[in-house]
Amino acid sequence: DAKTTQPTSMDCAEGRAANLPCNHSTISGNEYVYWYRQIHSQGPQYIIHGLKNNETNEMASLIITEDRKSSTLILPHATLRDTAVYYCIVRVAGGTSYGKLTFGQGTILTVHP
Amino acid sequence: DAGVIQSPRHEVTEMGQEVTLRCKPISGHNSLFWYRQTMMRGLELLIYFNNNVPIDDSGMPEDRFSAKMPNASFSTLKIQPSEPRDSAVYFCASLHGFRTGTDTQYFGPGTRLTVL
Repeated sequence: DAKTTQPTSMDCAEGRAANLPCNHSTISGNEYVYWYRQIHSQGPQYIIHGLKNNETNEMASLIITEDRKSSTLILPHATLRDTAVYYCIVRVAGGTSYGKLTFGQGTILTVHP
Repeated sequence: DAGVIQSPRHEVTEMGQEVTLRCKPISGHNSLFWYRQTMMRGLELLIYFNNNVPIDDSGMPEDRFSAKMPNASFSTLKIQPSEPRDSAVYFCASLHGFRTGTDTQYFGPGTRLTVL
């Protein structure tokens, strides 16, 4: 699976959009971009995933560049409860690695009042 | 749905003792994963099962660790004998099906293990 690079930490004001970048320059054509987050003392939580098109759900939006070498997770109106570690994961589809997630260090997002 | 259930939530034991962690996946999910999280190493995949069969146990640190899934609704992770370096939070996760690239894992609340 492709390696990802994320900033170690980011800050955001409550009510503002939080934009979390992820670099995955070695991504392959059949690899998806997944985002999970982990709120303190809880298990990781799925947020969103995509292949090449931008995606949106009730939690966030995922913007993938045209060359697919980077992506941005957008939390449109961050709240204090969004303070967490955010993991960007790229994984190959299918094969014997189906379902397998490899977590990096992630980005610590702190939302301030 | 109750989500993934893990027990116990906290476990404190002494070095050399046997420890058994339990997991009940979401009903209908046919894949189950065990992870370990420490400050030093982050989240690591230990082993995962598909339809109760172990698929990849390359993350199991050593022979002291073993995992079983006797049926679709129950799995155990056993450490025997336990050592202080096994202290960590152990997470169980499950997912439904193998739809390529679209599967998502649902994590339990974790078991915090402390080995004295």
